[in-house]
Amino acid sequence: NAGVTQTPKFQVLKTGQSMTLQCAQDMNHEYMSWYRQDPGMGLRLIHYSVGAGITDQGEVPNGYNVSRSTTEDFPLRLLSAAPSQTSVYFCASNLAGAYEQYFGPGTRLTVT
Amino acid sequence: DAKTTQPPSMDCAEGRAANLPCNHSTISGNEYVYWYRQIHSQGPQYIIHGLKNNETNEMASLIITEDRKSSTLILPHATLRDTAVYYCGGGSNYKLTFGKGTLLTVNP
Repeated sequence: NAGVTQTPKFQVLKTGQSMTLQCAQDMNHEYMSWYRQDPGMGLRLIHYSVGAGITDQGEVPNGYNVSRSTTEDFPLRLLSAAPSQTSVYFCASNLAGAYEQYFGPGTRLTVT
Repeated sequence: DAKTTQPPSMDCAEGRAANLPCNHSTISGNEYVYWYRQIHSQGPQYIIHGLKNNETNEMASLIITEDRKSSTLILPHATLRDTAVYYCGGGSNYKLTFGKGTLLTVNP
C-alpha cells in the first residue's frame, strides 16, 4: 500500500491563481480530511468527508472547496489564491470505525 | 469543539520518562482525547487516544483526569528519536481539533 499520497510536494502561486491539491489513499478508508499547518498555529481542520459525496466544513474552510466523488480521492481546490493561504497542507484518512488518522507527507504552498 | 492548550516546549533526559501535559477544559462528553506527534516536517503520526479511562499501547500511556479537563501523555523511556512536536487534540474520529503542540527535546 502507498498509504496517503499528496501532489504536488511544493507549489508557488501568484495571488488570484487557482489550483487543486491532490490527495489519494489506497486503504479503502471512508473518512478523509484536509488540514493546514502554520507556524505557531498547530494543525487546523479545513474540510472533511465521511464518504463519497459527503463533505463538511472544519475550523478554517473559507477560500477552499472540496468534493469527494470516489472513496480514494479528496482534492482541495483554491479558487483564487491569497497570501494568507501560504501554508503546509496535510491530507489524512481513516477507517470509519477506527480512531487512527493516517497523514500524507504534505504539500508546501507559497502564494506571492 | 474541544480547545486544547499545551506548553510550547519541554526537555527530557534520554532514558527518563517524558510527561507531556494538555489542558482540554472545553472538551465535551463524547469527544475523545488524541495525541499525535510530528518529526521534522513529516506528516503527523498517531500515538494514542482515550475517552475516560487511562490507556496504554506500545508507544505511550495516556492518563486522563477524572473530570476530563486535562490529560498527560507519558513516554516511559524517552529516546533521542522521540524528539518531535507532540500534538494533543480532541474530537470525534472524523473531526479533530488540535492544540499548537509541544516541542519535546530529548537530550543525551
